[in-house]
Amino acid sequence: DVKVTQSSRYLVKRTGEKVFLECVQDMDHENMFWYRQDPGLGLRLIYFSYDVKMKEKGDIPEGYSVSREKKERFSLILESASTNQTSMYLCATGYQPQHFGDGTRLSIL
Amino acid sequence: KQEVTQIPAALSVPEGENLVLNCSFTDSAIYNLQWFRQDPGKGLTSLLLIQSSQREQTSGRLNASLDKSSGRSTLYIAASQPGDSATYLCAVVGLTGYALNFGKGTSLLVTP
Repeated sequence: DVKVTQSSRYLVKRTGEKVFLECVQDMDHENMFWYRQDPGLGLRLIYFSYDVKMKEKGDIPEGYSVSREKKERFSLILESASTNQTSMYLCATGYQPQHFGDGTRLSIL
Repeated sequence: KQEVTQIPAALSVPEGENLVLNCSFTDSAIYNLQWFRQDPGKGLTSLLLIQSSQREQTSGRLNASLDKSSGRSTLYIAASQPGDSATYLCAVVGLTGYALNFGKGTSLLVTP
């Protein structure tokens, strides 16, 4: 079975902090994705990566950056956290089908 | 831009009923369509994947169909059980992309 591990289930940070969300996969997949999920808005793509050091912006990249230094790890970075970035963040890997981690519920106070 | 719509937004049925969840998409140029299940506070579990060239896929009590020309998919759940209670999400991958475009989901409650 594919395993996608997100470093934290719950995280509380303060506005202005730099926040790192980590995702690790064990299947040697090239594609990795970061989505956020909000009530009434559904899941939206923030960034994805199709290879090490390669990245593409998704629908809502503003305020975020990503890092992929190794194939198995894809990090989402909130450069200066704001309250409107309070959300559920989901990492996914693979292509057909995509496999998801359990999510990180991030609260920015 | 691809838009994915799921109807109904919420559904409550008694145990044992057969039910159908609907998904529609505006751009028929898709690579595949995927159905997911999400339990409260959890990530997404892949249920079924249908390639654009396929008409349906089955897994146990679940059957998903795809009519690409009309931009529709249905997820059929046979003999529903309380354990089927969850949110069901439909998502498509376009021909030019890798990422999924999601509907907002159908929240299903199966009562004993």
